[in-house]
Amino acid sequence: AQTVTQSQPEMSVQEAETVTLSCTYDTSESNYYLFWYKQPPSRQMILVIRQEAYKQQNATENRFSVNFQKAAKSFSLKISDSQLGDTAMYFCAFLYTGTASKLTFGTGTRLQVTL
Amino acid sequence: GAVVSQHPSRVICKSGTSVKIECRSLDFQATTMFWYRQFPKQSLMLMATSNEGSKATYEQGVEKDKFLINHASLTLSTLTVTSAHPEDSSFYICGVGGSHNSPLHFGNGTRLTVT
Repeated sequence: AQTVTQSQPEMSVQEAETVTLSCTYDTSESNYYLFWYKQPPSRQMILVIRQEAYKQQNATENRFSVNFQKAAKSFSLKISDSQLGDTAMYFCAFLYTGTASKLTFGTGTRLQVTL
Repeated sequence: GAVVSQHPSRVICKSGTSVKIECRSLDFQATTMFWYRQFPKQSLMLMATSNEGSKATYEQGVEKDKFLINHASLTLSTLTVTSAHPEDSSFYICGVGGSHNSPLHFGNGTRLTVT
């Protein structure tokens, strides 16, 4: 079974600053995907960024980037130039590419962006 | 625009009654849809995988007779909470799309309150 751990229940960052959210996972699989989802107060789940395990290059989406360390099973999210609209719960998720696979979510990190 | 439409967004019902939640895929045909449940300040827990034209696959511990899932078309899946009890009060969210069973797009969720 796969597990996803987010060790930071809450974090705070000032507007325009950079923040890094941590995520570690445990799996015996070699082919899988990793995701970061954002859940703002509206409760809608929004895909922020996705990383394929076979790719060594870290994924980047505008102000969002990841630091994927496959050997260490670490998948952190870096948010640059933080904006008030980034305030949300952030969930790290794991999906292996076998049949009947399903997304496994971490417990989430609540990020508060302050003025 | 929205890729997934979930309705209703909020519903209050009395104990013993049934409630139906709809999840519609707006942009593409979905042979698989996912139903999640989220308790306050917790992560998303997969309840079941809805399969078009066949029976849903339920996760361990989820009562299939209580949470009825119907996926009659490629764009619509419904979750019916039967004989609702206060402990069924929760936030229910559906997911659609992606590859390798990954729900890249989520509905806005339904907050169910059973009185």
